[in-house]
Amino acid sequence: GAVVSQHPSRVICKSGTSVKIECRSLDFQATTMFWYRQFPKKSLMLMATSNEGSKATYEQGVEKDKFLINHASLTLSTLTVTSAHPEDSSFYICSAGAGGSDYGYTFGSGTRLTVV
Amino acid sequence: SQQGEEDPQALSIQEGENATMNCSYKTSINNLQWYRQNSGRGLVHLILIRSNEREKHSGRLRVTLDTSKKSSSLLITASRAADTASYFCATGPTGANSKLTFGKGITLSVRP
Repeated sequence: GAVVSQHPSRVICKSGTSVKIECRSLDFQATTMFWYRQFPKKSLMLMATSNEGSKATYEQGVEKDKFLINHASLTLSTLTVTSAHPEDSSFYICSAGAGGSDYGYTFGSGTRLTVV
Repeated sequence: SQQGEEDPQALSIQEGENATMNCSYKTSINNLQWYRQNSGRGLVHLILIRSNEREKHSGRLRVTLDTSKKSSSLLITASRAADTASYFCATGPTGANSKLTFGKGITLSVRP
């Protein structure tokens, strides 16, 4: 089955630093990947749609300069949280679909970011 | 804004019992999907039902879809402690690589 690998699973960083999260499709090519943010006991909030070879599409209210997305290959998308602040602490999850939404999406295992 | 709204928000049952979770949505859909999330983990796709389908089965899972009422239900039969997780419904519009809209989720606790 389709596998999406997300790294790191946990990261602690200091305020003001940047953190990069990787999302890889291991056995399929993904022209599109999605990045979500999840607060404790809450649903997933779509942050942006990552498009291979082009700019990401950000959801309303998501700061593009804050959350940099790069989708340089068909199997890798990265989310960089720049100049992180404690309020950026959250659970970030990526997803991709081998066949698109018509067949369901595969999610990464998530990244717990803590900014101290 | 949230498309899917699950009901109830939390459900606690005894192992062996059936668990029924409901989801309502607002706009037209191409399909509706159910996902499970264990604490601190990513989501796992459980089952997808298309807008022209009314019922679908997968193992101990049964999902129904009523497009006239814009609602879906997920039934887990003979529940196990390992079914303890959060369950989300998500609606998918038409088209490949379309983004999903998730509901708020249901927390299911299955007591041994």
